[in-house]
Amino acid sequence: QQQVKQSPQSLIVQKGGISIINCAYENTAFDYFPWYQQFPGKGPALLIAIRPDVSEKKEGRFTISFNKSAKQFSLHIMDSQPGDSATYFCAAKNSGGSNYKLTFGKGTLLTVNP
Amino acid sequence: ETGVTQSPTHLIKTRGQQVTLRCSSQSGHNTVSWYQQALGQGPQFIFQYYREEENGRGNFPPRFSGLQFPNYSSELNVNALELDDSALYLCASSSNPREETQYFGPGTRLLVL
Repeated sequence: QQQVKQSPQSLIVQKGGISIINCAYENTAFDYFPWYQQFPGKGPALLIAIRPDVSEKKEGRFTISFNKSAKQFSLHIMDSQPGDSATYFCAAKNSGGSNYKLTFGKGTLLTVNP
Repeated sequence: ETGVTQSPTHLIKTRGQQVTLRCSSQSGHNTVSWYQQALGQGPQFIFQYYREEENGRGNFPPRFSGLQFPNYSSELNVNALELDDSALYLCASSSNPREETQYFGPGTRLLVL
């Protein structure tokens, strides 16, 4: 059972464009939604995260939009740069659960062309 | 402040063998989680250790086992290796089990032939 579904699988954007990656979740107990960025040969690094009590969070060029009723959240990368080329993972966590695992989507490979 | 480190970086084993992977958590962190990342997939939770005790386990068979030491470093052991165990194994540390932010190491790439 895939609890966090992520799309698209891959995305190509021109420099300066907007990159949008979407995720949907099933478990209504999830209450923490981070996005991770992973470069080849590296571990995932936390990019930005949101809790369901807000509908949007912005940090620099990165914005998370959250729709609790639809159980969906998305990452928007404004003014995309070639250095943003990486794999992006959405994740979800149930902070009240017995353990505190992150449940990840399958990832989106973003390529930003110069 | 040192980050999460893992060793070895790469490993090749044959089916049926056993392997031990190691992780040093970030300074001050007492919680370590292990994840398996198959090629083209997101990380899958294996288990978590907190103060030397297992603190939750994902859907992995008992041949996946772990340890955490008094200095909070950790080991992942996999017995009777199968071809499907080929993956990137990631450890992540956090300051406590309730801490939302997990810091990942670079991973160990395991290839089972």
